[in-house]
Amino acid sequence: DAKTTQPPSMDCAEGRAANLPCNHSTISGNEYVYWYRQIHSQGPQYIIHGLKNNETNEMASLIITEDRKSSTLILPHATLRDTAVYYCIVRPSGYSTLTFGKGTMLLVSP
Amino acid sequence: NAGVMQNPRHLVRRRGQEARLRCSPMKGHSHVYWYRQLPEEGLKFMVYLQKENIIDESGMPKERFSAEFPKEGPSILRIQQVVRGDSAAYFCASSRLAESSYNEQFFGPGTRLTVL
Repeated sequence: DAKTTQPPSMDCAEGRAANLPCNHSTISGNEYVYWYRQIHSQGPQYIIHGLKNNETNEMASLIITEDRKSSTLILPHATLRDTAVYYCIVRPSGYSTLTFGKGTMLLVSP
Repeated sequence: NAGVMQNPRHLVRRRGQEARLRCSPMKGHSHVYWYRQLPEEGLKFMVYLQKENIIDESGMPKERFSAEFPKEGPSILRIQQVVRGDSAAYFCASSRLAESSYNEQFFGPGTRLTVL
């Protein structure tokens, strides 16, 4: 079973920031937070991951709360091509497989 | 650098036939993972392989399903005597390292299996 809780769906206007929340209140000290997304009918795509510090790459930013019980994925300027299901995954260091939950369906509209 | 390749992209089989799904990992990747996505459901882990070894098959159905990753060539997911419930999208992923915090998995485009 997935160890994360995400809203089933969210809407965002094109050009605005999309902030996708994830609760992982039972996260352990050696577990990382990973984000993937799946655009319709395609394979999942890695976005970003972090342990305790905030992370940023060319796709997104990841903000992890100090107690690590929740995190937020930020797409700074959402485009129509960002419409996808976004998965927040908690995975222990040294553990290889991914456990996908239901994710958040993000709909970016013009 | 080509990404993860899967073929065929679409596969149609009749009940009782065999299905063979192939996955070529990214160059330099020696770890392969298979996931299944049933219609309207999330992705479920099936099996994790390294070259010539099955590391974790805890998500694999006990019967009819098998996987291999030979020393040479692609990884193969084999489904014998397919049934309609096997209709799904099968995704392969690969990674360079296993036990590392930088073990991003890169996914292929998937094979969509339809059982008539």
